[in-house]
Amino acid sequence: EVQLVESGGGLVQPGGSLRLSCAASGFTFSSHWMYWVRQAPGKGLVWVSRINLDGTGTTYADSVKGRFTISRDNAKNTLYLQMNSLRAEDTALYYCARDRNWNALDLWGQGTLVTVSS
Amino acid sequence: VMTQTPLSLSVTPGQPASISCKSSQSLLHSDGNTYLHWYLQKPGQSPQLLIYEVSSRFSGVPDRFSGSGSGTDFTLKISRVEAEDVGVYYCMEGLHLPLTFGGGTKVEIK
Repeated sequence: EVQLVESGGGLVQPGGSLRLSCAASGFTFSSHWMYWVRQAPGKGLVWVSRINLDGTGTTYADSVKGRFTISRDNAKNTLYLQMNSLRAEDTALYYCARDRNWNALDLWGQGTLVTVSS
Repeated sequence: VMTQTPLSLSVTPGQPASISCKSSQSLLHSDGNTYLHWYLQKPGQSPQLLIYEVSSRFSGVPDRFSGSGSGTDFTLKISRVEAEDVGVYYCMEGLHLPLTFGGGTKVEIK
């Protein structure tokens, strides 16, 4: 089955860290750019980061630049998001998504919830 | 900036619906393609791709959904709304960084 499955979310204190994972299956992971998109409770979709095919090219939203790091392991078919210096405003459901072409995201995971609170 | 209107829409089943999305800058690439995409997030679900590059329906999307527009102004139309079409619709520009979603349009059934 073609799918993306996120994990690693949870409750963390402000200033803390978390690493999210996204396990891909059913398709050639290394052939797709990959993305993280988040959604705060009751709010809209916000792009967070993306990574190219071999992991050598990454881009970030200004709100997370310098704090978050996207990476991938094509041998393990897994996408990661290392989140440091977390803030309350980072609280959201984090989705990983696959790019079909030019940022059209054609496959999404179910999301993993990150809650930043003391 | 991507501006969607209306914020919400209540539609009688079988009636049409239309959602507007305006970009603050042109989404026309020098390759001749326009990178504007539409997503639907059904209640309690992850977003799903409906339309890519203005007017191309993604695999499995019913033909009652259509997209149109150019440059900075785009429209998603549902020719005959069905109960399964409820949710929040988002446009997203795929040309510039940061990638930006519209604020969403919530469609509900009367």
